[in-house]
Amino acid sequence: SYELTQPPSVSVSPGQTASITCSGDKLGDKYACWYQQKPGQSPVLVIYQDSKRPSGIPERFSGSNSGNTATLTISGTQAMDEADYYCQAWDSSTVLFGGGTNLTVL
Amino acid sequence: QVQLQESGPGLVKPSETLSLTCTVSGGSISSSSYFWGWIRQPPGKGLEWIGTIYYSGSTYYNPSLKSRVTISVDTSKNQLSLKLSSVTATDTAMYYCARQYSSSSKALDVWGQGTMVTVSS
Repeated sequence: SYELTQPPSVSVSPGQTASITCSGDKLGDKYACWYQQKPGQSPVLVIYQDSKRPSGIPERFSGSNSGNTATLTISGTQAMDEADYYCQAWDSSTVLFGGGTNLTVL
Repeated sequence: QVQLQESGPGLVKPSETLSLTCTVSGGSISSSSYFWGWIRQPPGKGLEWIGTIYYSGSTYYNPSLKSRVTISVDTSKNQLSLKLSSVTATDTAMYYCARQYSSSSKALDVWGQGTMVTVSS
């Protein structure tokens, strides 16, 4: 079965760039999206169709997808960006989630 | 602004059937632009997709849950429903409903606040 793999945790200093990866076989041939989830809250879509930002999502969030890896990049990371991030793709009529990455801003 | 609200029992006994409803407001569940999905999250763990339905009734299920899951839609009430049979403690989770793009991206763009379901006798 198809799997998406994310690093469990990523740390970044305030103001720096955070990169969170999501790996899967030929993931670049599918569309990837990303969700942000803060403690006690529902997930929020931050990137869809590899690199598009929904309305209301800050420009510092960007995405790319090529080969076997999709990447969520947060430029000028702020303390408010500390959260869990999940990648997601659609394959063989199923929704697949990565295991999630905890982003720490310190 | 479309909103989704999950409802249902917060406590279900082992071996029984979990039943939840998601009410859609501010938009039509019959829109051709969207699918509608159920996702769950056990305490302290990641997201798990349960299944997706189109207003026409077409369904897609997580293979690991398919034998126990039924998702349906009531267009007259603008609601979708989830039934999960033969539950065990491992089904204890926060259950979310979400709107899903029907385009190839299949992203889930609007989520409900979630409802916590505990399986315990």
